[in-house]
Amino acid sequence: EAGVTQFPSHSVIEKGQTVTLRCDPISGHDNLYWYRRVMGKEIKFLLHFVKESKQDESGMPNNRFLAERTGGTYSTLKVQPAELEDSGVYFCASSQVGTGSPLGDGYTFGSGTRLTVV
Amino acid sequence: AQSVTQLDSQVPVFEEAPVELRCNYSSSVSVYLFWYVQYPNQGLQLLLKYLSGSTLVKGINGFEAEFNKSQTSFHLRKPSVHISDTAEYFCAVSPPGGYQKVTFGTGTKLQVIP
Repeated sequence: EAGVTQFPSHSVIEKGQTVTLRCDPISGHDNLYWYRRVMGKEIKFLLHFVKESKQDESGMPNNRFLAERTGGTYSTLKVQPAELEDSGVYFCASSQVGTGSPLGDGYTFGSGTRLTVV
Repeated sequence: AQSVTQLDSQVPVFEEAPVELRCNYSSSVSVYLFWYVQYPNQGLQLLLKYLSGSTLVKGINGFEAEFNKSQTSFHLRKPSVHISDTAEYFCAVSPPGGYQKVTFGTGTKLQVIP
């Protein structure tokens, strides 16, 4: 079974440019999450999709961030225009069952995209 | 609101020695608790989780954690570490219910010294 795939693995862009991160969840996983870790700090929740619908986007920093999930499959996270403080590692995770289900192992995380804004 | 505190940002330990990584949480409601590990250049992997029941939880790779409600702690332990345990470890909490967002701590880097 393929895991959660994120690309690119690294991206370096200039302030003011646009970047799009992509996440391919495990096939069949309805739940897809985006998280971000700014250097040395905690991993923070950004948003949660259930299929193609945004279930919770309370963690999105501002309107420069736009997340979509086409047809309930892969998801993209666009940052436009990028600012210096957007630098960090963006993680995607997917799950079929809830994190608290004894049946599942919670989230499966991707390896992350390291975004550097210069 | 929930929060997680991992006081130790780095923990060096000699190979085959025991280790404890500390985690304290704050929540006004009952919680689910998790430990995740991130090996270099990889995603986060679930080590173990506490949902209910026995307060001593055993996970993969010989790790275990004990839930202490009175001290609001969920410390991670391993009796004898290996070089391969060198990684960053994250404690996390979520409200019960399954699909709630997870709140992570700042992580603890475990460095196993040969």
